[in-house]
Amino acid sequence: GENVEQHPSTLSVQEGDSAVIKCTYSDSASNYFPWYKQELGKGPQLIIDIRSNVGEKKDQRIAVTLNKTAKHFSLHITETQPEDSAVYFCAAPTSGAGSYQLTFGKGTKLSVIP
Amino acid sequence: KAGVTQTPRYLIKTRGQQVTLSCSPISGHRSVSWYQQTPGQGLQFLFEYFSETQRNKGNFPGRFSGRQFSNSRSEMNVSTLELGDSALYLCASSLWISGGAKETQYFGPGTRLLVL
Repeated sequence: GENVEQHPSTLSVQEGDSAVIKCTYSDSASNYFPWYKQELGKGPQLIIDIRSNVGEKKDQRIAVTLNKTAKHFSLHITETQPEDSAVYFCAAPTSGAGSYQLTFGKGTKLSVIP
Repeated sequence: KAGVTQTPRYLIKTRGQQVTLSCSPISGHRSVSWYQQTPGQGLQFLFEYFSETQRNKGNFPGRFSGRQFSNSRSEMNVSTLELGDSALYLCASSLWISGGAKETQYFGPGTRLLVL
């Protein structure tokens, strides 16, 4: 099955700085990589995803890069704001006919210091 | 469009009891997955249902079970509760496309279960 490693587990940045979170995966057949943001007391919310036919995707201050050869993908948040403080999870699907399962990283707690 | 809803939001049970959690997916979504989230283990996959059939199951004991109804709503049941079952139980729905496309999963707010 899929194994997803996520680093760092905690990250503190000053407001306005950039934050980078990295994930590696093991299943070379994986072709879809979502990132979720989870705020206290809420379920994970999808913030961006990328499919394996592209190397980078941007959405305003958030970007994700994918290196299929090295089997790693990263989340980049620029011009961080206090409301970016949350736990971020990367995920990758476990391949299998007729089923769908996401394997998640352990999460990164991001703190943006005003 | 309404999001994924889960009921109840909070639940307190004692060891040995059983519990049933409910999930209503986004309208039109036919795939429903359940995850357990704990501080120590993170997000772990429980099972996935599509068209009332369980298609995939994670590494959890048989005390954890689920089902899906014809309207795609899903329930999960945990029997003979243990202290270690205390967790946030999350439901996620997705719009499955035949052919195996991996579609986005949307999560509900979760049910916080505390076992005393």
